[in-house]
Amino acid sequence: SQTIHQWPATLVQPVGSPLSLECTVEGTSNPNLYWYRQAAGRGLQLLFYSVGIGQISSEVPQNLSASRPQDRQFILSSKKLLLSDSGFYLCVTTRGSSYNEQFFGPGTRLTVL
Amino acid sequence: AQSVSQHNHHVILSEAASLELGCNYSYGGTVNLFWYVQYPGQHLQLLLKYFSGDPLVKGIKGFEAEFIKSKFSFNLRKPSVQWSDTAEYFCAVMFSGGYNKLIFGAGTRLAVHP
Repeated sequence: SQTIHQWPATLVQPVGSPLSLECTVEGTSNPNLYWYRQAAGRGLQLLFYSVGIGQISSEVPQNLSASRPQDRQFILSSKKLLLSDSGFYLCVTTRGSSYNEQFFGPGTRLTVL
Repeated sequence: AQSVSQHNHHVILSEAASLELGCNYSYGGTVNLFWYVQYPGQHLQLLLKYFSGDPLVKGIKGFEAEFIKSKFSFNLRKPSVQWSDTAEYFCAVMFSGGYNKLIFGAGTRLAVHP
């Protein structure tokens, strides 16, 4: 079965500092990978998705970027954090014979002060 | 653009009351439909899903949902809620041809009073 690891679990960063959140997946190969953000009082917003190494699609213009240096590694970054970047970040992969069911990682709670 | 709407942002019920949470999406093609629940302090859990077949699907904890294609709706129901159902509920839609991306509704916060 698939397992998603995310770190760190929680992070408090000052405005203007850089960010790097890492996600790794076990138990599968060539997964579709996604980054979602859940801001306080809001639903989940899809930020990026990747269907393969080096392939990144951005869903919304923002202060963040994503990279996929290896098949089962997905990284979310920022050069300078904003207050509005605070939220709960989820790494997600697909499972099921038709890749039509998503599996959620444990998440990283980011607070920007 | 593809979107998902949950019309009730906050719902307050007494125990044993019936529940129906609305979910509509804007797309005329093939969709996969999901309801997720997030209990206080916990992560998202899948309640139920619809891919094809019987439009009335049953999930965990007594929840069910009905897919009405003509109305682009996938409403969540439970005949009798319990205090332990207090949580936030998210409808999500996977649109065909979209690399299996899930588009979430804004969520409905349910509070059940004893």
